[in-house]
Amino acid sequence: AQTVTQSQPEMSVQEAETVTLSCTYDTSENNYYLFWYKQPPSRQMILVIRQEAYKQQNATENRFSVNFQKAAKSFSLKISDSQLGDTAMYFCAFPVTGNQFYFGTGTSLTVIP
Amino acid sequence: KAGVTQTPRYLIKTRGQQVTLSCSPISGHRSVSWYQQTPGQGLQFLFEYFSETQRNKGNFPGRFSGRQFSNSRSEMNVSTLELGDSALYLCASSLGLAGYPDTQYFGPGTRLTVL
Repeated sequence: AQTVTQSQPEMSVQEAETVTLSCTYDTSENNYYLFWYKQPPSRQMILVIRQEAYKQQNATENRFSVNFQKAAKSFSLKISDSQLGDTAMYFCAFPVTGNQFYFGTGTSLTVIP
Repeated sequence: KAGVTQTPRYLIKTRGQQVTLSCSPISGHRSVSWYQQTPGQGLQFLFEYFSETQRNKGNFPGRFSGRQFSNSRSEMNVSTLELGDSALYLCASSLGLAGYPDTQYFGPGTRLTVL
């Protein structure tokens, strides 16, 4: 069975610093996708970044990048130059089948001014 | 393009009642998925509809049902409400292309409180 684990319930970072959020997963599939979503206090879930497992290159979106290690089944999110607006819950998500996503328990990130 | 919209944003019901939540997807998106979010259980998948047919279903009792209309709008119904149904219900839409998972775009959610 596929699972997603986020082992850091809470993290904090100083504004302008870099922080890395961890996610590990388990699957027997070879081709799959992984996602990071953020949920700010407004509760609106927003896509942060997406990674296709068949791609060797790590995905990057502006200040957000991933460190995808397929063999280790690790998918961490790095946020550079942290901003106050980055304060949110961050969820790692894995599609179990089709569009049925399995979400991790989340990491609450606080950016400190 | 307009984003995913959900109505109503807030609902208060009492035990035993039923409730219907609505979701309008992004224009052109044919897949609508529903999730329940609670502090204890986190985000859990309810079901997915594509072209008016339920395509995937999570592990929820039959009190939870849904449907999708020809314009891709979806409704979710919960009958015989229980206190434990209090949650944020999130709707997500995507293109629904077969064969691989799409990026899902979420609505703002409906906050349901059962008294």
